[in-house]
Amino acid sequence: QVQVVESGGGVVQPGKSLRLSCAASRFTFNNYAMHWVRQAPGRGLEWVASISYDGSETFYGDTVKGRVTISRDNSKNTVLLQMTGLRVEDTAVFFCVKGFFEHSSSIDAFHIWGQGTKVIVSS
Amino acid sequence: DTVMTQSPDSLAVSLGERATINCKSSQSVFYSSRNKNYLAWYQQKPGQPPKLLIYWASTRESGVPDRFSGSGSGTDFTLTISSLQAEDVGLYFCQQYLTTPLTFGGGTQVEIK
Repeated sequence: QVQVVESGGGVVQPGKSLRLSCAASRFTFNNYAMHWVRQAPGRGLEWVASISYDGSETFYGDTVKGRVTISRDNSKNTVLLQMTGLRVEDTAVFFCVKGFFEHSSSIDAFHIWGQGTKVIVSS
Repeated sequence: DTVMTQSPDSLAVSLGERATINCKSSQSVFYSSRNKNYLAWYQQKPGQPPKLLIYWASTRESGVPDRFSGSGSGTDFTLTISSLQAEDVGLYFCQQYLTTPLTFGGGTQVEIK
C-alpha cells in the first residue's frame, strides 16, 4: 500500500543540525506535494514545511522559517528536511505526509502519514 | 494566520450515542471561486499517526465509515460520529488548508463514558 517512512531522528544538542529523510513508495511520487508536520509530546499538530509536487515551491511555518529547508528528489522518491539551529522547543515527533490533491503545493490536506521520527533537542 | 479553535477539549460519550466536535476558524476557509470549504478532519488513535477522515469539510475519505460526517461552512464546522464505537476513541483534529500557514485545531479527545 501507499507508504511513507521517516528516518533520521535522534537526540541532538541545542544549536546543532539534523537531517530527516522520508522514503515514499507505491504511488506516483512526482504528482503530489509532500509535507512535514510535527507533534510535541502531549501536544497538538503543527505544520512545519511543504514542497510542491515538482519541487518548484517551498513553504515554511513561522516557528521554523529560516532554520529549516525542505527538498525532494523525484528520481529517488525521497523528501528531506534539513534543520539547523535546533532549539529545545523543536523536540517533537516529525511526520512525513503525502499530500492529498494531485499537483498541489501548500494548498493541500494531509493524506498518508508516516509513523514519525522522534527528535529530541537537549543538552 | 488562521486560528482554528476546537471545542470541547474532551468528551465522553456512551457506546452507540452521538459525538459532536466543533471547529471554528478565525477567518473564513470558504473559497468562493471553487465553492469549497478548505477544511479537513483527522483522527489520531493512541500511538498512531493521524488519519484523514474528511476533506472539503464534508467529503469522507475512502474507507471511512459513514457514521462519521462533517458539516458547516465559512468559519463554523462540525464533525459528528453518529453512533460511537469503541474503536473511535482517540484524538480528533480539524485543519484548514486554504492559506499558509496551514493550521490545526488544538484537538478533541473522545472517550467512552
